[in-house]
Amino acid sequence: GQNIDQPTEMTATEGAIVQINCTYQTSGFNGLFWYQQHAGEAPTFLSYNVLDGLEEKGRFSSFLSRSKGYSYLLLKELQMKDSASYLCAAMDSNYQLIWGAGTKLIIKP
Amino acid sequence: IAGITQAPTSQILAAGRRMTLRCTQDMRHNAMYWYRQDLGLGLRLIHYSNTAGTTGKGEVPDGYSVSRANTDDFPLTLASAVPSQTSVYFCASSDSAGGTGEQFFGPGTRLTVL
Repeated sequence: GQNIDQPTEMTATEGAIVQINCTYQTSGFNGLFWYQQHAGEAPTFLSYNVLDGLEEKGRFSSFLSRSKGYSYLLLKELQMKDSASYLCAAMDSNYQLIWGAGTKLIIKP
Repeated sequence: IAGITQAPTSQILAAGRRMTLRCTQDMRHNAMYWYRQDLGLGLRLIHYSNTAGTTGKGEVPDGYSVSRANTDDFPLTLASAVPSQTSVYFCASSDSAGGTGEQFFGPGTRLTVL
């Protein structure tokens, strides 16, 4: 079956760095997406990886290892506004997104 | 309109009633999607449309139907609502099915079926 695993909740301190891990199992693979979702709002796109390696975009970076079925989202210089849920989604062979349940990130001052 | 809109924002519905959730996008995207989001679960795909005139079933299609008469609109209908359909419903669109097709989401409809 198809499955996405990510931690339910994480806590970090303002100004610090946090890494949110995601493992996936899908029928075929056409890339890995990360979305941010603030409480009561819609998900918004953060990153897309299809090749192995690290993609950096400002304070956010995303890493992919296709052989390990593993990705992580790295958030640097955490700000209070980064408090949100982070959704990992893998695109399967039918180009449909399989979503994880999301990781709720709590930022403390 | 800028982006993707949904209506209504929220709705309380009696079981057995028919309900249509509306979704409109002005980005001329080919692909559109309907998801439901429930606490503790990931977004689950209900139905999708890769282009106007075509639709397909997602992971949880039972009890729902869609149509795609034109590029902009993608309504979702619950023919006879049941309490298990209480959820937050998100409509999304992307410029193509597959590839780096980032999906843009509407603000969501919070539906409660009593």
